Amino acid sequence: DQQVKQNSPSLSVQEGRISILNCDYTNSMFDYFLWYKKYPAEGPTFLISISSIKDKNEDGRFTVFLNKSAKHLSLHIVPSQPGDSAVYFCAARPDSSYKLIFGSGTRLLVRP
Amino acid sequence: ETGVTQSPTHLIKTRGQQVTLRCSSQSGHNTVSWYQQALGQGPQFIFQYYREEENGRGNFPPRFSGLQFPNYSSELNVNALELDDSALYLCASSLTTTGGSYEQYFGPGTRLTVT
Repeated sequence: DQQVKQNSPSLSVQEGRISILNCDYTNSMFDYFLWYKKYPAEGPTFLISISSIKDKNEDGRFTVFLNKSAKHLSLHIVPSQPGDSAVYFCAARPDSSYKLIFGSGTRLLVRP
Repeated sequence: ETGVTQSPTHLIKTRGQQVTLRCSSQSGHNTVSWYQQALGQGPQFIFQYYREEENGRGNFPPRFSGLQFPNYSSELNVNALELDDSALYLCASSLTTTGGSYEQYFGPGTRLTVT
């Protein structure tokens, strides 16, 4: 039972354009959502998060949008840079729980 | 500020053996979580330690066990290794307060290969 789904295994974007990474979830009890970036041979790096009581959170080039009715989460990167090329994971926390549930990841390639 | 560190970086073990992986949490953090990441998948939660006690567990058998020490560092022990235990093992630290525990910060991981 995959509660957090990233249906696009990969995405290729031109440098300077917008990258949009998507994530769907099934559990309405998730109260906190996070995005992580992972380079090869490194652990996931925390990028940005959003509480379920909000619908948008912005940090520099990164914006996360939450649509609770659609159970959909997206990460926008504007403008995309070659250094953004990595695997991006979305994660969700069940209501006040201790664990994170991760999607399977989307590999982003930003072409120069 | 010191980040999360893990040791060893790589490890090769034989089926049936036992392994211990180590993690030092980020300074100021009091909670450690362990995840298993198989190839092509997202990390899967194994368990979490807070105040030196297991604070929650994922769907992993009892041969996966752990410890947290007074300095908040942690160990993951796996007994009777199986081939399917081959994976990247990630440690994450976070700060738990009365308001809860939110962002988890990951170490670089230990790559375990079971032959």
